[in-house]
Amino acid sequence: DARVTQTPRDKVTEMGQEVTMRCQPILGHNTVFWYRQTMMQGLELLAYFRNRAPLDDSGMPKDRFSAEMPDATLATLKIQPSEPRDSAVYFCASGSGLAGGDTQYFGPGTRLTVL
Amino acid sequence: AQTVTQSQPEMSVQEAETVTLSCTYDTSESNYYLFWYKQPPSRQMILVIRQEAYKQQNATENRFSVNFQKAAKSFSLKISDSQLGDTAMYFCAFSSETSGSRLTFGEGTQLTVNP
Repeated sequence: DARVTQTPRDKVTEMGQEVTMRCQPILGHNTVFWYRQTMMQGLELLAYFRNRAPLDDSGMPKDRFSAEMPDATLATLKIQPSEPRDSAVYFCASGSGLAGGDTQYFGPGTRLTVL
Repeated sequence: AQTVTQSQPEMSVQEAETVTLSCTYDTSESNYYLFWYKQPPSRQMILVIRQEAYKQQNATENRFSVNFQKAAKSFSLKISDSQLGDTAMYFCAFSSETSGSRLTFGEGTQLTVNP
């Protein structure tokens, strides 16, 4: 049963600390997306990759957020330094990238709380 | 830019009855894709159904079907024989090849199925 995995599932940290979220896409998928979900903004795209190359990270605050794909089985989203307004659920999703509109499969999300 | 609107923040239905969730979108593109995702309290985002804009036939998945009206830019979800497990937040989403398959989400509709 192929699925996207994310760690940690929940994270509580203090303002100013570094936070790293990890995602393992479905084996063979070549597109990876990071979304953030908040009550106020809903679901919004932060960044996405195709074949490990970043295609768009315009949704991400560049001064504190960074996203990478060190290899095809790992995507990371890092926040440094974290702020209370970063509190949200962060989802990773992957897709086969075979065509536009291919189905994205979501991980369980990381709920981040910044105190 | 594409926008997706769900005008019903909350809906409820009795078990075994039928309910329809509304979604409208705005785009200038001719080739695009529409999705309904379900998010139960576990927060996992689960694909319910997918529709390609170039297909006139409405997509169906078991008890779930859509009414796709391309000219009206409307994409409603019908759930037949509602079950308690259908209780969830439902998100309508849009993607296209020109947008790199990124998903633009609506605000969501909280559906409650009552016994």
